[in-house]
Amino acid sequence: QITLKESGPTLVRPTQTLTLTCTFSGFSLSTSGVGVGWLRQPPGKALEWLALIYWIDDKRYSPSLKSRLTITKDTSKNQVVLTMTNMEPVDTATYYCAHRQGAYSTLNFDYWGQGTLVTVSS
Amino acid sequence: QSVLTQPPSASGTPGQRVTISCSGSSSNIGSNAVNWYQQLPGTAPKLLIYSNNQRPSGVPDRFSGSKSGTSASLAISGLQSEDEADYYCAAWDDTLIGVFGGGTKLTVL
Repeated sequence: QITLKESGPTLVRPTQTLTLTCTFSGFSLSTSGVGVGWLRQPPGKALEWLALIYWIDDKRYSPSLKSRLTITKDTSKNQVVLTMTNMEPVDTATYYCAHRQGAYSTLNFDYWGQGTLVTVSS
Repeated sequence: QSVLTQPPSASGTPGQRVTISCSGSSSNIGSNAVNWYQQLPGTAPKLLIYSNNQRPSGVPDRFSGSKSGTSASLAISGLQSEDEADYYCAAWDDTLIGVFGGGTKLTVL
């Protein structure tokens, strides 16, 4: 079965860089149509899509955060890494990684990690 | 400010039918598939509807989705207490980004 799990720091200082790792099993990121995305949800607020990486290493980013985000994959390790630079308190949120498969322009995340809460504070 | 527009709240009594709307534009809902997610308190979102009106395995047929033009709707019939959750619509945008609605909190009275 497909599982995903996010890992990374729970506390980040302002201006620091956040590095989150999504470790998954049950699928390969080299399989046609597969993608892994990152999303976040500030406490009490709505979901926000951040980035998506496809099996062919094509990458998409939220326009509002594009300058701060980098998404990469390590197919051999079954991992996807998201880095976000210059963290601010407003970036405090639960960060999720999720699996999608199918047509290129779909946002059907069918498997999700449990999420990891990242707090940005000095 | 979310790209897709949803009502912040909705409510109904057990057994009722409730609909949640999602409004977008020609570049997202108008030209791409709509997906709906259910998020129970304290849990990760769950895919409820994909490709406008398809239910993943295990999702009860009480949940249905539809799309017309640049708007979409999620309908829940035979409302149950366990349906109390936040619901989000989402779609790909032709500007090559993913967009979500602001979420609708469903209360079962």
